[in-house]
Amino acid sequence: DAKTTQPPSMDCAEGRAANLPCNHSTISGNEYVYWYRQIHSQGPQYIIHGLKNNETNEMASLIITEDRKSSTLILPHATLRDTAVYYCIVMEVNYKLTFGKGTLLTVNP
Amino acid sequence: NAGVMQNPRHLVRRRGQEARLRCSPVKGHSHVYWYRQLPEEGLKFMVYLQKENIIDESGMPKERFSAEFPKEGPSILRIQQVVRGDSAAYFCASSPSPESPLHFGNGTRLTVT
Repeated sequence: DAKTTQPPSMDCAEGRAANLPCNHSTISGNEYVYWYRQIHSQGPQYIIHGLKNNETNEMASLIITEDRKSSTLILPHATLRDTAVYYCIVMEVNYKLTFGKGTLLTVNP
Repeated sequence: NAGVMQNPRHLVRRRGQEARLRCSPVKGHSHVYWYRQLPEEGLKFMVYLQKENIIDESGMPKERFSAEFPKEGPSILRIQQVVRGDSAAYFCASSPSPESPLHFGNGTRLTVT
């Protein structure tokens, strides 16, 4: 599975968009990009995933560059409850998720 | 709709005892996965089960650990003769199919004294 690089931490003001970057320069053609988050002491929560095209759901948008070497998770209107560690994972098979250190997003009032 | 239910939430065992961790998947989900999170580390895949079958146990320690998902009832992760290094949060996840995103429970925190 391809390795990902994420900034260790980011801050965002409540109500503003949070843009979380992820580099995955060694991604292969059949590997998906998954995003999960883990709020303190809870289990990981699935957010979104994509292969090539940009994706949007009720939680977030996922923008994948044309060469697929990087992506950005966008939370359009961050709230205090979005404070969590966000994990970007690239993989071929869904169940063998490899969680790195992720990005700790802190949403400030 | 109930999500993935894990119990107990917290479990304390002395060295050498057995630990049994239970996981009830989302209703209708027949695929169950166990992950372990050591303190200050990321989650690591342990085992993937489908009703009555172990599909992939490549992340399970070779000794003392076993998992089952019977036809009826919850999935069980069993750790025999626990050691201090087994202290961790154990998360269960389920999905309706291998291609679907995983739904995680809130974990069982095992402390070995």
